Amino acid sequence: DVKVTQSSRYLVKRTGEKVFLECVQDMDHENMFWYRQDPGLGLRLIYFSYDVKMKEKGDIPEGYSVSREKKERFSLILESASTNQTSMYLCASSSTPAGRVGNTIYFGEGSWLTVV
Amino acid sequence: AQKVTQAQTEISVVEKEDVTLDCVYETRDTTYYLFWYKQPPSGELVFLIRRNSFDEQNEISGRYSWNFQKSTSSFNFTITASQVVDSAVYFCALTSGGATNKLIFGTGTLLAVQP
Repeated sequence: DVKVTQSSRYLVKRTGEKVFLECVQDMDHENMFWYRQDPGLGLRLIYFSYDVKMKEKGDIPEGYSVSREKKERFSLILESASTNQTSMYLCASSSTPAGRVGNTIYFGEGSWLTVV
Repeated sequence: AQKVTQAQTEISVVEKEDVTLDCVYETRDTTYYLFWYKQPPSGELVFLIRRNSFDEQNEISGRYSWNFQKSTSSFNFTITASQVVDSAVYFCALTSGGATNKLIFGTGTLLAVQP
């Protein structure tokens, strides 16, 4: 089974702190994603990466950055956390061999971040 | 622009009732994929089904069935004889492929199945 592991399920951070959310997948997937989930807004894509050291902005990248130094690990960074970044963050991964679009995306269990 | 609309915010049914979750999508692409995911209270999104735009055949898996109609841009999900364990948030999602799998989600439908 595909496993996507998010290192922290629940975090409480102070405004202005630098926050790292870590995600590891064990299926050698090329693509990794960070989504944010808020009530009434569904899941919104923050950043995605289709290869090591490659990244692209999603729909709501402001206030976030990412790092992908190794294929299995994709980190989401909040440079200076703010209260409006209190949310649930979901990491995901998928495999896309050339031409096989639409492959299933697998999700981690989510990280609940509260910024006070 | 791509968009997924789940107009039902919350649905409450009594166990053993049938329930249909609606999903309407918008895309200009001719090749696209539609998904349903289940999110139980634990938080993890569980993949349920993927459908491509060239296959309008309806699918049944146990108590779950999906009705894909391109003419109305809908991909509805029906649970037959609902059970308490079906209580969750259900998301419909769309991707039009490309080099990556950017998935556009609807806002989700919270299904509460009462015993």
